[in-house]
Amino acid sequence: DIQMTQSPSSVSASVGDKVTITCRASQGINTLAWLQQKPGRAPKLLIYGASILQTGVPSRFSGSGSGTDFTLTISTLQPEDFATYYCQQAHTFPLTFGGGTKVEIK
Amino acid sequence: QVQLQESGPGLVKPSETLSLTCTVSRGSISSYYWSWIRQSPGKGLEWIAYIHHSGSTNYNPSLKSRITISIDTSKNQFSLNLSYVAAADTAVYYCASSNSGRLDYWGQGAVVTVSS
Repeated sequence: DIQMTQSPSSVSASVGDKVTITCRASQGINTLAWLQQKPGRAPKLLIYGASILQTGVPSRFSGSGSGTDFTLTISTLQPEDFATYYCQQAHTFPLTFGGGTKVEIK
Repeated sequence: QVQLQESGPGLVKPSETLSLTCTVSRGSISSYYWSWIRQSPGKGLEWIAYIHHSGSTNYNPSLKSRITISIDTSKNQFSLNLSYVAAADTAVYYCASSNSGRLDYWGQGAVVTVSS
């Protein structure tokens, strides 16, 4: 299985801050997704294909990267963005997820 | 957009079979692939399996020996059976639509506890 490693595991930030989360795959992959999960809710797809925003996702979210190293950036953190973010490789089955990054209020 | 809803018992005894159904609405089950994913505090998010309306399936090798997944196109539903459950199978179980490996839309989740 492809192992997905996220860092940091948590980050404290303020509204208006720029936040960057990284995800590293144990081998090269050709497609990666980012998901957002709020407490008590199901994960929600934000980005797929490493950089394509899902319909309805605000443009302050962006994704980049290729091969083994990927990044999710929130350009200007909003109150509704405090959540846990997961990367997920869609290169091969079984699909696998990172351990999550919790974005907390500073 | 597609909506999904999981249903099934919230409590299952050890060694018995966990059975869940996902009902798809506002879309046809004859589109996309359909996945089951679970989330537990100890193991995080774990993809379980997918099924296509054609009957094509793909299972996580770690669970393959215990999984049966099926689809009923007439009811717009797909189902998961996980046999010989243990405490480690306690989790929130989600169904989701799958498209080229991405998980577009998710159900709200079903909490399943394995306990006697």
